[in-house]
Amino acid sequence: DGGITQSPKYLFRKEGQNVTLSCEQNLNHDAMYWYRQDPGQGLRLIYYSQIVNDFQKGDIAEGYSVSREKKESFPLTVTSAQKNPTAFYLCASSHGILYGYTFGSGTRLTVV
Amino acid sequence: GENVEQHPSTLSVQEGDSAVIKCTYSDSASNYFPWYKQELGKRPQLIIDIRSNVGEKKDQRIAVTLNKTAKHFSLHITETQPEDSAVYFCAASRGSQGNLIFGKGTKLSVKP
Repeated sequence: DGGITQSPKYLFRKEGQNVTLSCEQNLNHDAMYWYRQDPGQGLRLIYYSQIVNDFQKGDIAEGYSVSREKKESFPLTVTSAQKNPTAFYLCASSHGILYGYTFGSGTRLTVV
Repeated sequence: GENVEQHPSTLSVQEGDSAVIKCTYSDSASNYFPWYKQELGKRPQLIIDIRSNVGEKKDQRIAVTLNKTAKHFSLHITETQPEDSAVYFCAASRGSQGNLIFGKGTKLSVKP
């Protein structure tokens, strides 16, 4: 499905609970990214990784954590410290600087 | 911090007319400018991009222009069709960090 797979498609989180969103790519891309999309807000960068075992905070990293143990995988954990987690989360990958992103199909997270 | 301003936020045109979406960016080190189309409930898809050593690029009915002096770039869609209806996002590379800053999007509606 476009070479980058996100799961699950829908996720419901209870207050105080940590949840992990999966992102896997088979495009052999070095760089991977997590963005959050809210209505009227565009896409805001949470975390990014340009190489295995290395990642950097984006503009809205508070309440989130990531790991990059494999080139193909970049999971995002939404912790209980994230006060407003309800949003559409998009994972993307690219060959690196000056290359466009390939996006996953997204995970819609709702707090219940 | 760096940002990308996108206008208009909504645009309605008649089928066959042209549509223009404009973006300005603040980071002088930006040198890659992609445009994405996102249909309702779908992932963003790269439709065209331009690098800073080029002033204009065209792909069938879609063209992008870049004015680096003014820090301004635009998307032009000619002979619009109903299937062009979607949200369009501009983006600019963030210096040497290898990630993109997105505008807040333009909802384009093409009326038959």
